[in-house]
Amino acid sequence: GENVEQHPSTLSVQEGDSAVIKCTYSDSASNYFPWYKQELGKGPQLIIDIRSNVGEKKDQRIAVTLNKTAKHFSLHITETQPEDSAVYFCAARWTMDSNYQLIWGAGTKLIIKP
Amino acid sequence: DSGVTQTPKHLITATGQRVTLRCSPRSGDLSVYWYQQSLDQGLQFLIQYYNGEERAKGNILERFSAQQFPDLHSELNLSSLELGDSALYFCASSVAGAGNYGYTFGSGTRLTVV
Repeated sequence: GENVEQHPSTLSVQEGDSAVIKCTYSDSASNYFPWYKQELGKGPQLIIDIRSNVGEKKDQRIAVTLNKTAKHFSLHITETQPEDSAVYFCAARWTMDSNYQLIWGAGTKLIIKP
Repeated sequence: DSGVTQTPKHLITATGQRVTLRCSPRSGDLSVYWYQQSLDQGLQFLIQYYNGEERAKGNILERFSAQQFPDLHSELNLSSLELGDSALYFCASSVAGAGNYGYTFGSGTRLTVV
């Protein structure tokens, strides 16, 4: 089945600097890759996603890139702010017996230092 | 408000007891997914229902069971509770079974077993 590896597990950056989180997936048939942000005590929220027919997608300070050949995708946050501190999860869509699921990375705890 | 409603928000119970967690999916979503998240851990997939039928099972213990009702709300039953079952339990919903649209998560139920 699908496996998603996410690195690093913890990332500490200075406020205003950029942060990059990387994920690798195993199933070459995966074609949808969302990123979720989970703030303390809350449920994960979708912040950006990318489909396999696109190499990059941006939304203000966040962007996601996808390399289908290497089977990896990354989340880029520029000009980081204190409110970016959270746990970020990547995921990849996996299909089995006509049923779709999201397979999740282990999460990255992003700490923004003032 | 994500549109996914989970009740109760907090639950404290004793070992050996049984509890029921409830989830109402976002309007129009047919799939419901249950996840367990222990302290500082990732999202552990438990079980998925689609339009009343079980579609996929993850690492769900035999002491745990779930169902989805005709009105599409879902319940997760946890029995013979142990201290290690203390965790956040999230419900998520999605359109049909497809991951193309991502999942929408509820705010979770925090279960404490004492």
